[in-house]
Amino acid sequence: DTEVTQTPKHLVMGMTNKKSLKCEQHMGHRAMYWYKQKAKKPPELMFVYSYEKLSINESVPSRFSPECPNSSLLNLHLHALQPEDSALYLCASSHHTERRGPMNTGELFFGEGSRLTVL
Amino acid sequence: GENVEQHPSTLSVQEGDSAVIKCTYSDSASNYFPWYKQELGKGPQLIIDIRSNVGEKKDQRIAVTLNKTAKHFSLHITETQPEDSAVYFCAARTISNFGNEKLTFGTGTRLTIIP
Repeated sequence: DTEVTQTPKHLVMGMTNKKSLKCEQHMGHRAMYWYKQKAKKPPELMFVYSYEKLSINESVPSRFSPECPNSSLLNLHLHALQPEDSALYLCASSHHTERRGPMNTGELFFGEGSRLTVL
Repeated sequence: GENVEQHPSTLSVQEGDSAVIKCTYSDSASNYFPWYKQELGKGPQLIIDIRSNVGEKKDQRIAVTLNKTAKHFSLHITETQPEDSAVYFCAARTISNFGNEKLTFGTGTRLTIIP
């Protein structure tokens, strides 16, 4: 199984709503990521989790709150978002550096993304 | 931090011809350079990658070259087919100040194969 599964695929929410994006992988990866991608732009890193602990926060506003309940799941909790937060949110996973052998480059596996629209 | 530049931003190629996309990076400590293909409405998918200790890698119609001295790497697609039409991103991986790995993406190239 080489899949990263994201739900929902599409989400429309108002600025006062609270919603969550979910990500799941069963490849035994211990590094998981959230990226944000605006139209015609490259993915931008938001958060990195290593062994279920937050290791990188790229100065993301607190209205985005990540959570890693276990080694297979990654959530992104959304609250009081702005219209400019509308984007494709991508989850990814990879083998942690400590788990890589000589043949493993630590490839990043992406999900299909959750397209978020904030009204 | 790392800065990755990618050219061209758009590329149209006749079916059967070759396509070349070029990237430069700024951090000499970057050690891994993947290329991703992103089709409309989908997440990026790795198509080929290269480590810093290798100069060239090939996988069927796709090849990547790396020049560490000049800090640039390129994607070569030969015998292009309509299904090669997509947005392609190069990327460079570095180690952050706190020892975490970070992947920085180029700005993307929209490749269109003309039948």
